Amino acid sequence: EADIYQTPRYLVIGTGKKITLECSQTMGHDKMYWYQQDPGMELHLIHYSYGVNSTEKGDLSSESTVSRIRTEHFPLTLESARPSHTSQYLCASSLGEQYFGPGTRLTVT
Amino acid sequence: GQNIDQPTEMTATEGAIVQINCTYQTSGFNGLFWYQQHAGEAPTFLSYNVLDGLEEKGRFSSFLSRSKGYSYLLLKELQMKDSASYLCAAPDRGSTLGRLYFGRGTQLTVWP
Repeated sequence: EADIYQTPRYLVIGTGKKITLECSQTMGHDKMYWYQQDPGMELHLIHYSYGVNSTEKGDLSSESTVSRIRTEHFPLTLESARPSHTSQYLCASSLGEQYFGPGTRLTVT
Repeated sequence: GQNIDQPTEMTATEGAIVQINCTYQTSGFNGLFWYQQHAGEAPTFLSYNVLDGLEEKGRFSSFLSRSKGYSYLLLKELQMKDSASYLCAAPDRGSTLGRLYFGRGTQLTVWP
């Protein structure tokens, strides 16, 4: 069983608010990823990191930022939430295969 | 990306066998993953193939042909709980298993 956690699991927030989605893993994996996925649709890579102080933009990274100050922690921040950000956000970490967290379902009103 | 292609939907009945195909770009090939994703849940790892041939794990098997850029996931003795989306994924070309490129997923529906 993979030990990767995301909080909050569900979030409803108003337009314009700044939010941070948390992701932590206890497996000591160097590689971590953030994905966005709408219901029934494909996964889109937002950001990824290959280790502390290393972050890269994915295919869909506009309007969000990440940081990797500690190996186990990879938070995602939306500076100003918009209704178009309504989606499920999945965090993953890997040594080889990727292990996914349970996801955060975000609704922006 | 890796130009991953897989069928959008498949249906089958309980107890049957189903094969989900996936094609990918072969240059810089570095292995192929299969994931299962139930509705509203996160993907879970099923298999990883890097060499040609069939790898069996219980009711699920995965096959790879590197020369043809082709893989399939074989599900035997289908159960209702196998209804899910099945994602084919390949690492970035030439990378040491970094980012993955996911296909759009094949939505499998198992009927009683």
